[in-house]
Amino acid sequence: RKEVEQDPGPFNVPEGATVAFNCTYSNSASQSFFWYRQDCRKEPKLLMSVYSSGNEDGRFTAQLNRASQYISLLIRDSKLSDSATYLCVVTMNYGGSQGNLIFGKGTKLSVKP
Amino acid sequence: DAGITQSPRYKITETGRQVTLMCHQTWSHSYMFWYRQDLGHGLRLIYYSAAADITDKGEVPDGYVVSRSKTENFPLTLESATRSQTSVYFCASSVSRGVTKNIQYFGAGTRLSVL
Repeated sequence: RKEVEQDPGPFNVPEGATVAFNCTYSNSASQSFFWYRQDCRKEPKLLMSVYSSGNEDGRFTAQLNRASQYISLLIRDSKLSDSATYLCVVTMNYGGSQGNLIFGKGTKLSVKP
Repeated sequence: DAGITQSPRYKITETGRQVTLMCHQTWSHSYMFWYRQDLGHGLRLIYYSAAADITDKGEVPDGYVVSRSKTENFPLTLESATRSQTSVYFCASSVSRGVTKNIQYFGAGTRLSVL
């Protein structure tokens, strides 16, 4: 089983649509969770961290279910500029030290006019 | 604020040649990382460094060498390039403590083709 699994998509949606991405992780010891965004031929950039209580940043909402080892990202009112690949990322911390990031392969989103 | 820069951005080389990819960051971040990104594999960690003179292997270290004599630089060397090392290489950095300690910031990448 892969450590971080995502539906590769592509998700093709019209502007204004609501779209949800899911991600599962295999290691229950994972401690930190993120969504990164990667535009075509560009570097990954942090979109948002994911907290146990769930968190929202404008049109973006991230949720974490530790019991099911499941992370989600909801995008409301999709914009053309949201077209990108969304990477689910988890990490573990050993004795409080820096953890290495484990990346999912990404879910591609294409928002059409 | 220059952030994290990689050079060269594009490189074409031949099998068997030595190639060095450069990474420089201006934030004084303790941690630095090298990843490769290939279709079907996503981002895979090659090597990382917790501080100057401290490096460790990641998931796919074979065929690569790193060094970190200064905090701000983390070069990646392919000692004898092979076609399987054709990829996009990303360097990243992060702080070592605090609420942002696991957030990594990436350079723009180096596209390497080995012929």
